[in-house]
Amino acid sequence: QVQLVQSGAEVKKPGASVKVSCKASGDTFTSFDINWVRQATGQGLEWMGWMNPDSGNTGYSQKFQGRVTMTRNTSISTAYMELSSLRSDDTAVYFCARARAGTLPYYFDYWGQGTLVTVSS
Amino acid sequence: SYELTQPPSVSVSPGQTASITCSGDNLGDKYACWYQQKPGQSPLLVIYHGRKRPSGIPERFSGSNSGNTATLTISGTQAMDEADYYCQAWDSSTVIFGGGTKLTVL
Repeated sequence: QVQLVQSGAEVKKPGASVKVSCKASGDTFTSFDINWVRQATGQGLEWMGWMNPDSGNTGYSQKFQGRVTMTRNTSISTAYMELSSLRSDDTAVYFCARARAGTLPYYFDYWGQGTLVTVSS
Repeated sequence: SYELTQPPSVSVSPGQTASITCSGDNLGDKYACWYQQKPGQSPLLVIYHGRKRPSGIPERFSGSNSGNTATLTISGTQAMDEADYYCQAWDSSTVIFGGGTKLTVL
């Protein structure tokens, strides 16, 4: 069965960077875009961007442009999201989610379990 | 920028029908989808392409899309359906989520 398994919780200081991983299994890794969505405690879902594991192409939300980098290692079916210049309001649960590449409408059929990133001095 | 608007909360009695709306410009052309999220869990896709149900989603969940509004309908609502629900669409190479609706079954 399809699974997206994320790395564990992180605690970072303001100004630092965090890199979260998302390992896919159960389907062809390169057939699906990996997206990243975050959720602050008690708040809604916020889309950060997408990455196509086949081409490495990315598309980022304007809000995170310049601070987020999405990459992948196809040999281990793993996608990564790195967020830099962390602030306290970056404290949130970060989810990876997959969407079939190159098709519309665009929706997320599988999600990772989430990774809590806490930014605190 | 494109926005999706949902009511913050909806209440329904067990066994009744719950309707959750999502509004956005020409949303009917964008085939909104819907996610259910229970506390401490990842979102779960319940409707895609406006009205299609993924495998394993009960038939009581249905979706419709018309004009500027997408609607998620839960028929015969059960206590287990109490959750937050989010609509989502794609516009100008960007994913947009609605603000979410808390469904209370009481």
